[in-house]
Amino acid sequence: NAGVTQTPKFRILKIGQSMTLQCTQDMNHNYMYWYRQDPGMGLKLIYYSVGAGITDKGEVPNGYNVSRSTTEDFPLRLELAAPSQTSVYFCASSPVGEATRQNYGYTFGSGTRLTVV
Amino acid sequence: AQSVSQHNHHVILSEAASLELGCNYSYGGTVNLFWYVQYPGQHLQLLLKYFSGDPLVKGIKGFEAEFIKSKFSFNLRKPSVQWSDTAEYFCAVKPAGGGYNKLIFGAGTRLAVHP
Repeated sequence: NAGVTQTPKFRILKIGQSMTLQCTQDMNHNYMYWYRQDPGMGLKLIYYSVGAGITDKGEVPNGYNVSRSTTEDFPLRLELAAPSQTSVYFCASSPVGEATRQNYGYTFGSGTRLTVV
Repeated sequence: AQSVSQHNHHVILSEAASLELGCNYSYGGTVNLFWYVQYPGQHLQLLLKYFSGDPLVKGIKGFEAEFIKSKFSFNLRKPSVQWSDTAEYFCAVKPAGGGYNKLIFGAGTRLAVHP
């Protein structure tokens, strides 16, 4: 009953600190995503990955980095935290293509609430 | 660039009232459409989705949505809301046939249902 697991759930960072948000999925999904959610702004795509070793930028990638060494794991790295990165971060995964439309849809993790002070 | 507009940012209803949340998208091609719900303190969950066929889609918990291609709309409806429907609702769009399943989300509509 795991799905997508994110850690930590909450974190407070000081300006300039670094941290890694962890994301793991056990559904063998090839596609994984990182979104940030800000009030009144919906979800914005930070980075995504279509498989191990393949990542690409989304809409708001500045200040973040990702890696995808395995199908299961897709960590998000903040190198020099800034107040503008205060947000709720969601990791998600999905199966490949519309051939799986019967079960298509993102599976989201429970989120990480990050505050940069 | 593709975008999704949700016209109502906050909606307040009494129990048993009917609900309709608007969603419009900007994209000229074929799209796949989704509604997600986020209950307080929880992650997003899929309510319903449209890929093709009958434009009236039924989802979980009595929700339905109608795809009107000529209006680029995918409005969410429920005939009678319950207090437990209090949540934030997100409309999302994906251009069909590619794009690595990247979804474009609207800003969300926060629904509060009073007993």
